Amino acid sequence: DARVTQTPRHKVTEMGQEVTMRCQPILGHNTVFWYRQTMMQGLELLAYFRNRAPLDDSGMPKDRFSAEMPDATLATLKIQPSEPRDSAVYFCASTETGPYGYTFGSGTRLTVV
Amino acid sequence: GESVGLHLPTLSVQEGDNSIINCAYSNSASDYFIWYKQESGKGPQFIIDIRSNMDKRQGQRVTVLLNKTVKHLSLQIAATQPGDSAVYFCARSGGGADGLTFGKGTHLIIQP
Repeated sequence: DARVTQTPRHKVTEMGQEVTMRCQPILGHNTVFWYRQTMMQGLELLAYFRNRAPLDDSGMPKDRFSAEMPDATLATLKIQPSEPRDSAVYFCASTETGPYGYTFGSGTRLTVV
Repeated sequence: GESVGLHLPTLSVQEGDNSIINCAYSNSASDYFIWYKQESGKGPQFIIDIRSNMDKRQGQRVTVLLNKTVKHLSLQIAATQPGDSAVYFCARSGGGADGLTFGKGTHLIIQP
């Protein structure tokens, strides 16, 4: 089965440190999404790309978060500097077209202490 | 504003019984709805979807019903099994954007 691969699966870091999360979308999927999941807020859309171009990053705190797609096989989400309130599970998802047929990765569980 | 909400945070059912998970939405422009299942430590997994021009769609042991008049969506799982234990999310898309708006989730617990 084709799958979205996220690394690392778990990350514990100290407040103020830079964190980079990586995602390999399914080959041929041209739309890549980043979501954040917390108990309080549930699943929130942070940003998404189509054909590597950012389409919407309105859900992302701009001062410390950045999302990029250096190439079609890699999407990154960076937090600098990290804060305890960033602790969450971050999911990447990809689709071949539009909102149909989302496939989620297994997530990166981030803990900022 | 746009929102997708769930009526109950936890649903407990007996193994073998049917489960019904409900979801309400507020945005009339929603044109595509999806149900996801999330098991512990995993990402959400697609179960079934429905477009706004349909009222009902069936899959294997699952049925999704859409009532646009009252803006209500439900997921029915027939003959619930232990493997159905998970958190279930409804989500919607619409307005030309590809991002999904998710509800908070319902935790389905299967009693033996």
